[in-house]
Amino acid sequence: EAGVAQSPRYKIIEKRQSVAFWCNPISGHATLYWYQQILGQGPKLLIQFQNNGVVDDSQLPKDRFSAERLKGVDSTLKIQPAKLEDSAVYLCASSPSGRREQFFGPGTRLTVL
Amino acid sequence: TQLLEQSPQFLSIQEGENLTVYCNSSSVFSSLQWYRQEPGEGPVLLVTVVTGGEVKKLKRLTFQFGDARKDSSLHITAAQTGDTGLYLCAGFDNYGQNFVFGPGTRLSVLP
Repeated sequence: EAGVAQSPRYKIIEKRQSVAFWCNPISGHATLYWYQQILGQGPKLLIQFQNNGVVDDSQLPKDRFSAERLKGVDSTLKIQPAKLEDSAVYLCASSPSGRREQFFGPGTRLTVL
Repeated sequence: TQLLEQSPQFLSIQEGENLTVYCNSSSVFSSLQWYRQEPGEGPVLLVTVVTGGEVKKLKRLTFQFGDARKDSSLHITAAQTGDTGLYLCAGFDNYGQNFVFGPGTRLSVLP
């Protein structure tokens, strides 16, 4: 079974630029999560999708972050414009419907200069 | 918002030693999970504990959920260099709505 795929693995941008991350969850997993992990901290949930609907986006900075999961499969997370404090690893995870075990992708390491 | 604390923040030990790391909260959790994260990778689930007082063993790893479901511990017997990584606890609050991670314990096992 293929795992959660994320791209790109690394991204370096300058502040005020835009960036987008892509996630392909495990086939059949209805729930998809985006996390932000700042160096030295645990992951922080940004947004949770159930199929293509948003379940929780309470910690998503909506003035600059957006996410979508149009067909209930792949998802993209966008930052526009980026700030220095957005430097972090962005993790995508998925889980089967009704189960709490989350399967994580390798993450995208974003550096904002 | 539930808060999970983990201790110690860093731990460096020699191969073959035993260790225990802790996860604590002032709030009740319906379940707690332990993950291990290696550099450049996402976290990988080790175990889920659900019942207060529950003990689960995974080879040399022993996980315990506190009776009041506010704390958990992970004990590693005869640590190996392959145990090196960031150990994260995470859980759903008692309403099953909010999922949060602790800050992690970074373990280094030296040969």
